[in-house]
Amino acid sequence: NAGVIQTPRHKVTGKGQEATLWCEPISGHSAVFWYRQTIVQGLEFLTYFRNQAPIDDSGMPKERFSAQMPNQSHSTLKIQSTQPQDSAVYLCASSLAAGKAPLFGEGTRLSVL
Amino acid sequence: GDSVTQKEGLVTLTEGLPVMLNCTYQTIYSNAFLFWYVHYLNESPRLLLKSSTDNKRTEHQGFHATLHKSSSSFHLQKSSAQLSDSALYYCALIRRDYNQGKLIFGQGTKLSIKP
Repeated sequence: NAGVIQTPRHKVTGKGQEATLWCEPISGHSAVFWYRQTIVQGLEFLTYFRNQAPIDDSGMPKERFSAQMPNQSHSTLKIQSTQPQDSAVYLCASSLAAGKAPLFGEGTRLSVL
Repeated sequence: GDSVTQKEGLVTLTEGLPVMLNCTYQTIYSNAFLFWYVHYLNESPRLLLKSSTDNKRTEHQGFHATLHKSSSSFHLQKSSAQLSDSALYYCALIRRDYNQGKLIFGQGTKLSIKP
């Protein structure tokens, strides 16, 4: 079992550019989560899919962030017009079912210059 | 809403001393899963402990925690710290209703073990 796969591991963008982060959940897991990790805020919840349907996006900054799950094998997090404050490690996690402990990927470190 | 509080941002200990990392939580739901995740640098956060049973001790890899619903606490303990325990530790909560499967994390506690 390969675990949750996130690509790229590191991404550097210029201010105002777009960044797309990819996540491949563990096969058979029905729930997929996106979190953002910073030193100041810790692990912040962004959004959550169950069986590919968006369930809760209450943590997503509304204007520039969007997430999709077009099929059961991958999810994307897109950040438009990136800003320096978007710099963080973005973590994807998946779980077998709601209420089960999610397993995390290694994250994508986004640096916005 | 639901929340998890880890009061200590940084805990520094000498190897061999006992470890205790505090975690308290708030939820309006009587049932919840509580978790401890450990995050080593350049790795993915991984599950260390979990519990949903009141007053039952759960153990893994030398660490233990007991969920106390009366005090809404789930403190992480270890009898003797090792250098390899240095990492970031997160306490987290999942409500036990089907519609809410997201993990709510505390701020995290960085544990630093010195020789």
